[in-house]
Amino acid sequence: ETGVTQSPTHLIKTRGQQVTLRCSSQSGHNTVSWYQQALGQGPQFIFQYYREEENGRGNFPPRFSGLQFPNYSSELNVNALELDDSALYLCASSFAYGYTFGSGTRLTVV
Amino acid sequence: DQQVKQNSPSLSVQEGRISILNCDYTNSMFDYFLWYKKYPAEGPTFLISISSIKDKNEDGRFTVFLNKSAKHLSLHIVPSQPGDSAVYFCAASGQDQAGTALIFGKGTTLSVSS
Repeated sequence: ETGVTQSPTHLIKTRGQQVTLRCSSQSGHNTVSWYQQALGQGPQFIFQYYREEENGRGNFPPRFSGLQFPNYSSELNVNALELDDSALYLCASSFAYGYTFGSGTRLTVV
Repeated sequence: DQQVKQNSPSLSVQEGRISILNCDYTNSMFDYFLWYKKYPAEGPTFLISISSIKDKNEDGRFTVFLNKSAKHLSLHIVPSQPGDSAVYFCAASGQDQAGTALIFGKGTTLSVSS
């Protein structure tokens, strides 16, 4: 049984740039969710994909978008980066309420 | 408006004693609650969960209690061990949440001293 792998682990981008974060799903999981964790906060739900369709979204602007692929891996894309986008981005694959989180990508926007 | 609140940012406990971490919620539609532990540079790791139809769930040293009328849950760790030192997040989900989205509290940092 493989876990959830996220890449890259760390990333530095300039304000206004675009970024793509990647996530592999745990075997047997058909749902993937993305969370943003700012310093000193709990993870905040960005969106969720089930069988390649977005089936839930948190309070994040449209410049946060995603994809899920047939093998259930996923991408998070953020356009027009802002300084406040600096955070740890967590991916979680799940089946029902059985969530497995990756170690996250630390994004710094300068 | 925070739907899940962990009002104690930190807790210090001696090894062997009980650790009690608390969590309050405001959304009466929440029907499933989870606790996660997080070490630095790692993702959250699932500890224990409880459905709203129960008031207690136990797994080894970890017990979660749910008081629906008070909209309060707590995680008890007995006995506490130094390896339990981490950030603990309470999370909730419900039928009114998008997909199976989890709503997290801000976390409580537990320090267990030997």
